[in-house]
Amino acid sequence: DTEVTQTPKHLVMGMTNKKSLKCEQHMGHRAMYWYKQKAKKPPELMFVYSYEKLSINESVPSRFSPECPNSSLLNLHLHALQPEDSALYLCASSQAGRGVRNTGELFFGEGSRLTVL
Amino acid sequence: GESVGLHLPTLSVQEGDNSIINCAYSNSASDYFIWYKQESGKGPQFIIDIRSNMDKRQGQRVTVLLNKTVKHLSLQIAATQPGDSAVYFCAENPYNFNKFYFGSGTKLNVKP
Repeated sequence: DTEVTQTPKHLVMGMTNKKSLKCEQHMGHRAMYWYKQKAKKPPELMFVYSYEKLSINESVPSRFSPECPNSSLLNLHLHALQPEDSALYLCASSQAGRGVRNTGELFFGEGSRLTVL
Repeated sequence: GESVGLHLPTLSVQEGDNSIINCAYSNSASDYFIWYKQESGKGPQFIIDIRSNMDKRQGQRVTVLLNKTVKHLSLQIAATQPGDSAVYFCAENPYNFNKFYFGSGTKLNVKP
């Protein structure tokens, strides 16, 4: 069983809706990530949080808004999405070291499958 | 019409044979690499990692080889089993804090 928990597992939303994806880990990891994965494609990095601060934004459209309320939780707020945003959204966590390069593995959740109508 | 890129490269092997999955990485600054396995409907799972100061690393039934000269990684799976059927991705970590980029993936089919 994965130690990174994502909810909901499935989400269907209209283009005018506002929804959120949630991710939780209790491994004491201080780096958390959002990846987007389309069918038969590799995961694409969206955001990285390190010590609860946004450290990397891979030029993601503003209709995706990440939030890291504490060291265990990571949210992805969704607003005014497009049908092409339909994908599997993966959360991951890893060890992090301030000022030290992280070389640890990523622990992934099972993903939230999003369909935008 | 048909979209480009919807078909993953596929490797089909007989149960018990050895499998070799290849990956070309793009960034010469990458010095840490991980192989992940992704089963249908699940998130990627760590298999094995290797740092750039090594050219080979072995785990249980798996071996990763790294050729920095040609920016190439391979994953060897010994005595492949039906449970090894999945999509395999390599991920590279350029010398940049907390950034991992995934290769395009290979689907492994193990025939019983």
